[in-house]
Amino acid sequence: QSVLTQPPSVSGAPGQRVTISCTGSSSNIGAGYDVHWYQQLPGTAPKLLIYGNSNRPSGVPDRFSGSKSGTSASLAITGLQAEDEADYYCQSYDSSLREVFGGGTKLTVL
Amino acid sequence: EVQLVQSGAEVKKPGESLKISCKGSGYSFTSYWIGWVRQMPGKGLEWMGIIYPGDSDTRYSPSFQGQVTISADKSISTAYLQWSSLKASDTAMYYCVRITMVRGVSNWFDPWGQGTLVTVSS
Repeated sequence: QSVLTQPPSVSGAPGQRVTISCTGSSSNIGAGYDVHWYQQLPGTAPKLLIYGNSNRPSGVPDRFSGSKSGTSASLAITGLQAEDEADYYCQSYDSSLREVFGGGTKLTVL
Repeated sequence: EVQLVQSGAEVKKPGESLKISCKGSGYSFTSYWIGWVRQMPGKGLEWMGIIYPGDSDTRYSPSFQGQVTISADKSISTAYLQWSSLKASDTAMYYCVRITMVRGVSNWFDPWGQGTLVTVSS
């Protein structure tokens, strides 16, 4: 059971918009700690996708965006492409447990 | 280019010891925390612990405290993860990560090493 809760799976057709939620608590996201997102393509190491709630590293398309409100955060992907099919993880800091991850969400492009 | 390069895959028997490595390049190795992340087969990511190579300050996740040892040799820009007695349940992919910390409220992992697959089987 992960400290941060994500839906196990989401899906969308090419060109559509999907969102992935990440729900925490008052000891992590709700305490003001930032949320970061990672993309893990099949058979590869995870890659930083969003840092500091809503910032994209150089090279990440602007189709990916992040937001945070209260004890939750969201990752939105617009203009869905087949290459976006991957596992997505949120990560934050918890005042008791230190670094924590969400359980991961598998994105399927229909 | 900032890069973390990990040692190769390992196959071990239960009870054996193991030390895997992660070599950093392209940045000041002593100025960033390095972390280790476990991914068991078909499962999600689990934070294991971190080390600051500058002074070897080390912190562990409660789930991994006492189960593994994290160390670093700053003279060769390399961090290590070791086990004294492996179990079958240690079978997993292990990633090292460089951690950027901002204002004490924002710690993100980038880049990630390519991963080291550890298989423990009799």
